[in-house]
Amino acid sequence: GENVEQHPSTLSVQEGDSAVIKCTYSDSASNYFPWYKQELGKGPQLIIDIRSNVGEKKDQRIAVTLNKTAKHFSLHITETQPEDSAVYFCAASILGQNFVFGPGTRLSVLP
Amino acid sequence: SQTIHQWPATLVQPVGSPLSLECTVEGTSNPNLYWYRQAAGRGLQLLFYSVGIGQISSEVPQNLSASRPQDRQFILSSKKLLLSDSGFYLCAWSSKTGLGNTIYFGEGSWLTVV
Repeated sequence: GENVEQHPSTLSVQEGDSAVIKCTYSDSASNYFPWYKQELGKGPQLIIDIRSNVGEKKDQRIAVTLNKTAKHFSLHITETQPEDSAVYFCAASILGQNFVFGPGTRLSVLP
Repeated sequence: SQTIHQWPATLVQPVGSPLSLECTVEGTSNPNLYWYRQAAGRGLQLLFYSVGIGQISSEVPQNLSASRPQDRQFILSSKKLLLSDSGFYLCAWSSKTGLGNTIYFGEGSWLTVV
């Protein structure tokens, strides 16, 4: 079955710097890759997603890139702000079913 | 628009007591429904998922059970709680139609077994 790895497990950046979180997946049939942000005591919220027919997608300060050949995808956050501090989860799925989540990355943005 | 509700938000229960967490989804029909558990500072562990009324698949053996009595209602239960059942429980849903439909989470329920 699918296996999703996520690195790093913790990440600290200075406010205004960029943050990059990388995920790798094992099943080449996976074709949908969402990213979630989870604030303390709340459920994960979708922040951006990418499908396998697209190499990059951007939404304001957040972007996701996908390399199907290498089977990895990354979340890029630019101009980080303290409110970006949270746990981020990546996931891989096939046709929006059978979601497999990465273990999460705790991002701390230091003022 | 679709919304998901789960309750209660927090729960403190003694060991050996029963549990019932409820989840409902509005604004969609025939969704896939999920229960996840998250231990403190840990990742998401899939407990149960359901593709339809009365259809429940269990991912891990445990003293928990799930039921789906109605199309948009998902219930997580236990007859006798263990200390190890403490955690953050998340209900989620996804659509069966279309490609690349994401999974949406509720706000979660904190369970502390004492």
